[in-house]
Amino acid sequence: EAEVAQSPRYKITEKSQAVAFWCDPISGHATLYWYRQILGQGPELLVQFQDESVVDDSQLPKDRFSAERLKGVDSTLKIQPAELGDSAMYLCASSLGVAKNIQYFGAGTRLSVL
Amino acid sequence: GENVEQHPSTLSVQEGDSAVIKCTYSDSASNYFPWYKQELGKRPQLIIDIRSNVGEKKDQRIAVTLNKTAKHFSLHITETQPEDSAVYFCAASKGASDYKLSFGAGTTVTVRA
Repeated sequence: EAEVAQSPRYKITEKSQAVAFWCDPISGHATLYWYRQILGQGPELLVQFQDESVVDDSQLPKDRFSAERLKGVDSTLKIQPAELGDSAMYLCASSLGVAKNIQYFGAGTRLSVL
Repeated sequence: GENVEQHPSTLSVQEGDSAVIKCTYSDSASNYFPWYKQELGKRPQLIIDIRSNVGEKKDQRIAVTLNKTAKHFSLHITETQPEDSAVYFCAASKGASDYKLSFGAGTTVTVRA
């Protein structure tokens, strides 16, 4: 069964450092999502891509976060500089899009900022 | 934007009993309501979903009901088993016009053997 791949699984960094997370969606999925999940809360959407285009980044803190999906396949989420409050699980999900909204999640990257 | 509230935050049930989790949503345009199960350290996985053109959907021991007038939907798990222990999230989206999912805060279900 195809799965969304994410790496790394865990990342520990010091505040003010730069971090990057990678996501490879299920093959053929045009829509890709990055979520942030704070411990004890539900996932919150950061950015949504349709192919290589951003369709929603209203909740992305653009002063420090950036996301790209250059060829419309895999995607990278970057934080620079990291802050203590960025400690969370970062989940990637993908879906076929266009009338099919079932989102499949990756295992996530657990970020700890010290 | 959409606001999804989920209750209870924790639920402990005896094995074999039923578990019910309730969610309310604020945006009447929402028409797709999935439920995800997240076991400790694992990815959220879709267990059941319902669209606004139906009021109830069942899959073996799991069922979801939707009341669009009241803007609430519920997850029912019957004959609970230890492997049902997990965090369950409800979510809502507008479907064709906006695929973004808004999640509830989650319910931690513990099934006591």
